[in-house]
Amino acid sequence: DIQMTQSPSSLSAFVGDRVTLTCRASQSISTWLAWYQQKPGEAPKLLIYKASSLESGVPSRFSGSGSGTEFTLTINSLRPDDFATYFCQQYNSLVTFGGGTKVELK
Amino acid sequence: QVQLVESGGGLVKPGGSLRLSCAASGFTLRDYYVSWIRQAPGKGPECLLSIGSTDTTIYNADSVKGRFTISRDNAKNSLYLQMNSLRAEDTAVYYCARAPGIAVHFFDFWGQGTLVTVSS
Repeated sequence: DIQMTQSPSSLSAFVGDRVTLTCRASQSISTWLAWYQQKPGEAPKLLIYKASSLESGVPSRFSGSGSGTEFTLTINSLRPDDFATYFCQQYNSLVTFGGGTKVELK
Repeated sequence: QVQLVESGGGLVKPGGSLRLSCAASGFTLRDYYVSWIRQAPGKGPECLLSIGSTDTTIYNADSVKGRFTISRDNAKNSLYLQMNSLRAEDTAVYYCARAPGIAVHFFDFWGQGTLVTVSS
């Protein structure tokens, strides 16, 4: 089974900051990686697929990069609506999600 | 528009059974790869089982093999999850979710979730 590890588990930031979240796979997954945003009481929302492709309707301040085992999600100029938990998910072999990174307001 | 609506969650005793439903609208369920995904409090999501257009069941989680089954009613455009021999660790919010393509298993639409609590 492929394990997905996200870091940090939480971070604090100001509105307007640029933040980078990391996701590591236990083995190579090429670019078969998606990122989701989840707010309390809501289902996850797809942001990025195939490591760097932006889902339709998602603001361009979100971007993804990486391949193999190391991936990042970058949020440029954090907005109040971006404070949430972010999950990565591999779909190279079955499906596995990471444990999440909670982005909190400093 | 695409919508998924789960129902059937609730409180059940350990060892009990529950059947969750997921009603789809805005698309034809049988044409897509759809999954049941659960999320325990404070944890990341966990994909349990999936079913594709060929009706093949794919188990993502060993913990539910032999206990949970996925099925689909094409006439009702609905997905089901039959859960037997429930355990306390099955307590979670259960979502149905759709993958946008046959060969790409990320999820572009999710239901709102239904809470399953396993407790005596």
